[in-house]
Amino acid sequence: GAGVSQSPSNKVTEKGKDVELRCDPISGHTALYWYRQSLGQGLEFLIYFQGNSAPDKSGLPSDRFSAERTGGSVSTLTIQRTQQEDSAVYLCASSLGGAGTDTQYFGPGTRLTVL
Amino acid sequence: AQSVTQLDSHVSVSEGTPVLLRCNYSSSYSPSLFWYVQHPNKGLQLLLKYTSAATLVKGINGFEAEFKKSETSFHLTKPSAHMSDAAEYFCVVSDWGGSYIPTFGRGTSLIVHP
Repeated sequence: GAGVSQSPSNKVTEKGKDVELRCDPISGHTALYWYRQSLGQGLEFLIYFQGNSAPDKSGLPSDRFSAERTGGSVSTLTIQRTQQEDSAVYLCASSLGGAGTDTQYFGPGTRLTVL
Repeated sequence: AQSVTQLDSHVSVSEGTPVLLRCNYSSSYSPSLFWYVQHPNKGLQLLLKYTSAATLVKGINGFEAEFKKSETSFHLTKPSAHMSDAAEYFCVVSDWGGSYIPTFGRGTSLIVHP
């Protein structure tokens, strides 16, 4: 079946612009995660959705970052007034139920470059 | 609270020799532990996971890991490296902290020489 998809695959933007990143999880997966991966770094947790609710937003680095999920499916991560330090690969993952034993399935990522 | 430490940022081996990627964890509860692999320009893929069943876990492509509670370790091994094993490897811990948010290690880059 189809895996997790993300769009766009690459995004180049100018400092100060807003960007939207999209994630389509595996059908039927109730849990969805956003991470950020900077060069040479591990994965930095941003936000977790269970259904359409976000019980854990603790990883969002500033109020310029927001995310929503609709219909228990597609999620959008929005970064307002982008800064150069926002440049990174943004990864989305989904899992069946969000339990600690669940495997996460990752999308290919969106590479964001802020000039 | 949970944390994970990958003890080596880079590991270099020759093809056909054993692989050892080290991971130590800290967890307040009974954790689940995972190893994910990320090949260049590819998404992350699960290699194997420990979820409180057998302590020796076998994964894909000949990899295995052993959960050692007394040592708080979950090292990844493979008897014989292949060129296609060259990738970034992430150790991950997940336990109950109000919700199951996995914590990723910083990654170990495996380099395989011919």
